[in-house]
Amino acid sequence: AQTVTQSQPEMSVQEAETVTLSCTYDTSESDYYLFWYKQPPSRQMILVIRQEAYKQQNATENRFSVNFQKAAKSFSLKISDSQLGDAAMYFCAYRSANAGNNRKLIWGLGTSLGVNP
Amino acid sequence: EAQVTQNPRYLITVTGKKLTVTCSQNMNHEYMSWYRQDPGLGLRQIYYSMNVEVTDKGDVPEGYKVSRKEKRNFPLILESPSPNQTSLYFCASSFGTLNSPLHFGNGTRLTVT
Repeated sequence: AQTVTQSQPEMSVQEAETVTLSCTYDTSESDYYLFWYKQPPSRQMILVIRQEAYKQQNATENRFSVNFQKAAKSFSLKISDSQLGDAAMYFCAYRSANAGNNRKLIWGLGTSLGVNP
Repeated sequence: EAQVTQNPRYLITVTGKKLTVTCSQNMNHEYMSWYRQDPGLGLRQIYYSMNVEVTDKGDVPEGYKVSRKEKRNFPLILESPSPNQTSLYFCASSFGTLNSPLHFGNGTRLTVT
């Protein structure tokens, strides 16, 4: 069974600086999808960025980018120019390409990010 | 506005009193799913549906029921709630393609006493 590990329960960053959140996963599959979600205090889950495993190029969305290392099974999230609104819980998630009709995400336990003004 | 609407946002009930949490999406998504979020356990899938009248169990289906009579609606039913079902519940939907991200509702905080 696949698992997702986020080794940093809590992190903090100064406003305007850069921070990297770590995520590793365990799978025997070669085809899968990876996601980062953000959960602010409002508790809604918001998609930050996604990556297809067959793509070598790292995904980027504005200030958010990933470092996808397939061989190492690592999928870290870099937040540049951190803003106060980035303070939230961040979850890494894995989706198998071989789960039939189930589009289930397998989740890490999250990293709580604080942003200091 | 494209969204997943989940109600109620908060719910306090007593053991054994049947309840329904509603979920509706306006994005014409084929796939819908329910998750529960618990401290230390993360998010776990309860049920999912890939189409109208097609539902299947996720990882923690015991004590829950769902139905998918219409494409847009996917209610979660607790016929006899117990305190161990106290949790934060999320409804999510997506298109059927594998790279489609899940869109989440705002969550329902359920407390069963």
